[in-house]
Amino acid sequence: AQSVTQLGSHVSVSEGALVLLRCNYSSSVPPYLFWYVQYPNQGLQLLLKYTTGATLVKGINGFEAEFKKSETSFHLTKPSAHMSDAAEYFCAVSGYNFNKFYFGSGTKLNVKP
Amino acid sequence: NAGVTQTPKFQVLKTGQSMTLQCAQDMNHEYMSWYRQDPGMGLRLIHYSVGAGITDQGEVPNGYNVSRSTTEDFPLRLLSAAPSQTSVYFCASSSLQGNSYNEQFFGPGTRLTVL
Repeated sequence: AQSVTQLGSHVSVSEGALVLLRCNYSSSVPPYLFWYVQYPNQGLQLLLKYTTGATLVKGINGFEAEFKKSETSFHLTKPSAHMSDAAEYFCAVSGYNFNKFYFGSGTKLNVKP
Repeated sequence: NAGVTQTPKFQVLKTGQSMTLQCAQDMNHEYMSWYRQDPGMGLRLIHYSVGAGITDQGEVPNGYNVSRSTTEDFPLRLLSAAPSQTSVYFCASSSLQGNSYNEQFFGPGTRLTVL
């Protein structure tokens, strides 16, 4: 069975600092990988996804993530945090052949002035 | 396209009452799912469906029923509401891409309180 682990339920960075949110998955085959963002009292919005092809994926709002098969990781980064990035971020995996999606437990990002 | 719609946005129930949360999508997606979100617990899958007439249980199915009579609709029924079902409920849908599912599109959520 697949699972998704997000290290750190809360991450705090200063405005302008690097954002790094970690996601590791367990899977016997390369899955599809996603990062979602949830702003307070809103639904989830797709930030970026990896399906096939280039392992460095660029998303909205300056975020990017790199699929590293050898490390089974899909960490989310942004070079310079902005106050508006404060939100909860979820990593998700989908498997092959009608498997369901698996979500990590989420990481709340706090951006300090 | 309206995307994924959910009704109602807010609901208050008394213990023991039943109700149906509605979910509809107009993107002709094969896959639909229901999640509940509770503080500190992320998203937990309740039930999902890979097509009309096909449903399966997720991580936390007890106390909930679903059916999928059409591609568009995937209602979630609470049979006898309990305070433990107080939560925010999200419906999502996705299309097939090859042998896997593409990203899920989420509805705006239903905030349910059971007294």
